[in-house]
Amino acid sequence: ILNVEQSPQSLHVQEGDSTNFTCSFPSSNFYALHWYRWETAKSPEALFVMTLNGDEKKKGRISATLNTKEGYSYLYIKGSQPEDSATYLCASSSWGKLQFGAGTQVVVTP
Amino acid sequence: NAGVTQTPKFQVLKTGQSMTLQCAQDMNHNSMYWYRQDPGMGLRLIYYSASEGTTDKGEVPNGYNVSRLNKREFSLRLESAAPSQTSVYFCASRGGGATNEKLFFGSGTQLSVL
Repeated sequence: ILNVEQSPQSLHVQEGDSTNFTCSFPSSNFYALHWYRWETAKSPEALFVMTLNGDEKKKGRISATLNTKEGYSYLYIKGSQPEDSATYLCASSSWGKLQFGAGTQVVVTP
Repeated sequence: NAGVTQTPKFQVLKTGQSMTLQCAQDMNHNSMYWYRQDPGMGLRLIYYSASEGTTDKGEVPNGYNVSRLNKREFSLRLESAAPSQTSVYFCASRGGGATNEKLFFGSGTQLSVL
């Protein structure tokens, strides 16, 4: 049973368009929310780690927000490029363990 | 910059065979983890070690054992492989295990059990 849920499961984006997707997690016993980017044939790499309600993080064209009271986080990609094609994983952290969602697969087409 | 090193990268086993997946990190991290990745299931935690000398079960520990050999190394053993253990396995580590520290992943081991 996945307590951490991501939606949509996949999405196709035209190059240049912006997009966003959601991670929901249990708001009780929350410590941190992680976002990872996972390209095909590679290992997941960390994008952001957020801990505080209202946190916003940005890395280039990718940004994320966190709402710990209602238990969700959004990841935004502005002006999508083909190199943004990847699976984006979120994970909720508590007591040293991270529980991952199933991921959102993003495909950016030229 | 080795980071987290996993061996082997690929392995095919017959049902009932045993094997050990090796993981080593050179970042002086305290916490190490073993995950398996299956389609539609995300990464599921098998076992983790918060620090040298300790190990704890994750979400899916049945059929696996682990050993935290020293601070650098954390191995995963399948005593009697089953087809249900066909998966991609990732080792990961992070510094002190604090909740705001990111994970560093190895390159994965693709395991097939026939």
